[in-house]
Parts: sequence; structure tokens; C-alpha cells
Amino acid sequence: SQQGEEDPQALSIQEGENATMNCSYKTSINNLQWYRQNSGRGLVHLILIRSNEREKHSGRLRVTLDTSKKSSSLLITASRAADTASYFCATDGNAGNNRKLIWGLGTSLAVNP
Amino acid sequence: DAGVIQSPRHEVTEMGQEVTLRCKPISGHNSLFWYRQTMMRGLELLIYFNNNVPIDDSGMPEDRFSAKMPNASFSTLKIQPSEPRDSAVYFCASSLIIGLAILGAYEQYFGPGTRLTVT
Repeated sequence: SQQGEEDPQALSIQEGENATMNCSYKTSINNLQWYRQNSGRGLVHLILIRSNEREKHSGRLRVTLDTSKKSSSLLITASRAADTASYFCATDGNAGNNRKLIWGLGTSLAVNP
Repeated sequence: DAGVIQSPRHEVTEMGQEVTLRCKPISGHNSLFWYRQTMMRGLELLIYFNNNVPIDDSGMPEDRFSAKMPNASFSTLKIQPSEPRDSAVYFCASSLIIGLAILGAYEQYFGPGTRLTVT
């Protein structure tokens, strides 16, 4: 079953604008990751944030985590057409030795030039 | 590094036929994951291996699916017999998981996927 739920399901913006995507999850986690998937390609890891962190930056990406609300957000600043992709959040199962990730259904981002 | 390699990239087969998907993980990685992705169900974990041993196969849909990892550099996912509802993109991913202290704190490296169409 999918734990993460991203919203919105689809987002369309103009180049240069900021894009914000949200992820909610149900159970406690140790960390949360964001991945990007370009059309017809595999997923690529973007950033990982641990449960004891509230915010993390990587280039034009900013991720926040609110464990009290069981939610995370991914902000892409000054978007570019090349940012067009689907974005997924993934949480660790927090289940002992089981290292599997629980995936959301993704947000489809279209950045229009 | 060549990354995770999957073959074939595309497979079209008729219902009832056997399908074998192949994966070569990144050298040095000790964990391998098989996923299935569809529009309706998103990304589903089918099975994952750690040090060539299956750890969690709870996502394998039914007995028609089987996966093996005979060594650290090769894994197969087999569907026999295939059905139209198996049509999806199948991804293999690998990772290096170190120790028990870093729970889930690892990134997965995905292959390009195999697009399977069963007619």
C-alpha cells in the first residue's frame, strides 16, 4: 500500500515561477526522500531529510518536514522547463530490519517556457 | 559507472507466454529492488534482496511471479504465464545499505525500466 500522498496530482506553471509539492504520510518515519522521474526514465534521488530535521536545501530545492503533521513539502525555486517531470516522496517503513521505501503516487509538474 | 542496467527495454508478448526481465545492479551495492509502475497503482515494490537474499516479497502479486538473485551482479524477475494485467513498466533499483543504525537512510538508484506489454 502507498503511504505517501502527494498533492497536487498535477501542477502547471510558467518558467521562473516557484513550484511547491506536498507529501503526507500516515505512520512515523525515520526519514523521507524526494525523487524525480522524467518521462520514460527511472527515478532519480533528489534529497533526503531525516525525522529530526525540519528543513534542507540542495541548489534550487528546498524540503521541509513537519513530523507533527506528518507532511513534507518540496519547493523548486525559479523553475525551468527541464524541471518538467513527476516528483515522488518516499518514506522508510520504520519497521525493524525492513529497509523498503513506501512511495506516493507522485505529482506531475509541467513547466511551460 | 554504468548505473543499473535492465534488459530488455521493451517487451511485447502474448498472454500465456513466459517473460524474463533482467537486472544488473551497480557494482558494490548490496541491495536490489524490483518495482512495477502503472498509472492506476503507481510504484509498487514487488520484492527486494539484501546480500542476494530475499528480504520482503510481500508485494509479489501471485505465484506467477518469481525473482532470483543468484549472485551480487545479476537478478531476474520472471512472469509465467503472463497476463494482460501484467502490462506495466518494471524497474530495478539498487542501493548500498550499511548497518542497522541508519534506518532507511539510503538512496536507491533506478534502472531505465522495462516496458512490458502483454496482449
